[in-house]
This record gives sequence, structure tokens and C-alpha cells, in this order.
Amino acid sequence: DAGVIQSPRHEVTEMGQEVTLRCKPISGHNSLFWYRQTMMRGLELLIYFNNNVPIDDSGMPEDRFSAKMPNASFSTLKIQPSEPRDSAVYFCASSSASAPKGYTFGSGTRLTVV
Amino acid sequence: SQQGEEDPQALSIQEGENATMNCSYKTSINNLQWYRQNSGRGLVHLILIRSNEREKHSGRLRVTLDTSKKSSSLLITASRAADTASYFCATAPGGATNKLIFGTGTLLAVQP
Repeated sequence: DAGVIQSPRHEVTEMGQEVTLRCKPISGHNSLFWYRQTMMRGLELLIYFNNNVPIDDSGMPEDRFSAKMPNASFSTLKIQPSEPRDSAVYFCASSSASAPKGYTFGSGTRLTVV
Repeated sequence: SQQGEEDPQALSIQEGENATMNCSYKTSINNLQWYRQNSGRGLVHLILIRSNEREKHSGRLRVTLDTSKKSSSLLITASRAADTASYFCATAPGGATNKLIFGTGTLLAVQP
């Protein structure tokens, strides 16, 4: 298995632009998580899905952030419009909800909003 | 908000020494997990300890859990330069949820 695949690895965009981050979880994992990591706030859970259904989006900072999981093998995190304070590393992770053995993380997307 | 806090924030040791990191958390948990993050990379799962377990071993790793004190420790024995990384504890809150709340992390530097 190639692991959790995130794209792009790096994204530089101008303030006000729309940004879409993508994630492909491990096949067979039915839970998917989006985290944001910054020096100031550490690792924050933004949203997670079980069986493609959003379960908890209480960590999504504002309405500018939205996430979808149209099928078991793909999820997107969208920021529209982007702001400089959104600059961070965004991680996607997946796991099996029925047999907790830890998460598998992707390599992350480093987002810079200028 | 973060559930766990690691102590110390940073630790520097010599190769061959043992490294101990501590984690405190606030609410009841189903399990507690430790992860490693190398610079610029994603997190890697190391070990999971359930709330009814007190100690667990995996290779050079030893994890303890004290639910009465809401604390855990990670011991890395005979450290190597390759162990240099940030280490995070993560808690799975009690109840019907499989989300993890991560702590603030300990930056471990192992000098060759």
C-alpha cells in the first residue's frame, strides 16, 4: 500500500484565492481526519469522517473552510477565500474505526498564503 | 483545543542514553497513543496503550499509563541519532468517538 497520499506537497497562493487540498486514504480504512499544524497552535483536528460521513467538524475554524468525502478513496479540504493566517501544514490521516491501531498520516501539504 | 501536554518541551541526550518523555491529559480516555514526527514529515504511529493497561513494550519503547493521574510516559532505551524527532502523545476521548487529540510534543535531539 502506498500509504495516505496528499497533494499537492506545497502550495503557495495569494490571499483571496481558493485552495483545494486532496487526500487519498489507505484502502479499507473507513475513518479520515484532517489536521492543521502550526508552531503556535500545534496539531489541531479540523474535521473527521466515518464511512464518508462528516462526524465532527467543530475544529473547522470558519465558514471559509469546507471538507468533502464523496467516496471512500478521496477527500478534499477547501479554503475560500484564503488568508495569510491559514498558512500551515495540513495533514490527512486515516484509520480503521472498528480496530483502533493508530492513524496513518500523509506527508502533509505545506500551504503558504501571501 | 489540545488535550495533552508533553514534558519536557525539548530534550537533548547522548547516543546510548535513555530518553523519557511525559504526557498529561485532562479527560477520561479510551486509549493513549504515541507518535513520532521527523522534521518536515508526517506523523508515524509508535504504540497504543488502552485505558485498562498499565505498561506496554515495543522494541526499545516502553510506555506506561496511570489513569488515576491522567499521565503517561514514553521511554526510549539505548537511544540512537536516528531517534531525533518530535514525539507526541495523543488521546482518544471516552465515548463513541475515534478522534485523537494531540499534545504539544517533545523535541528530542540525540547527539552522536
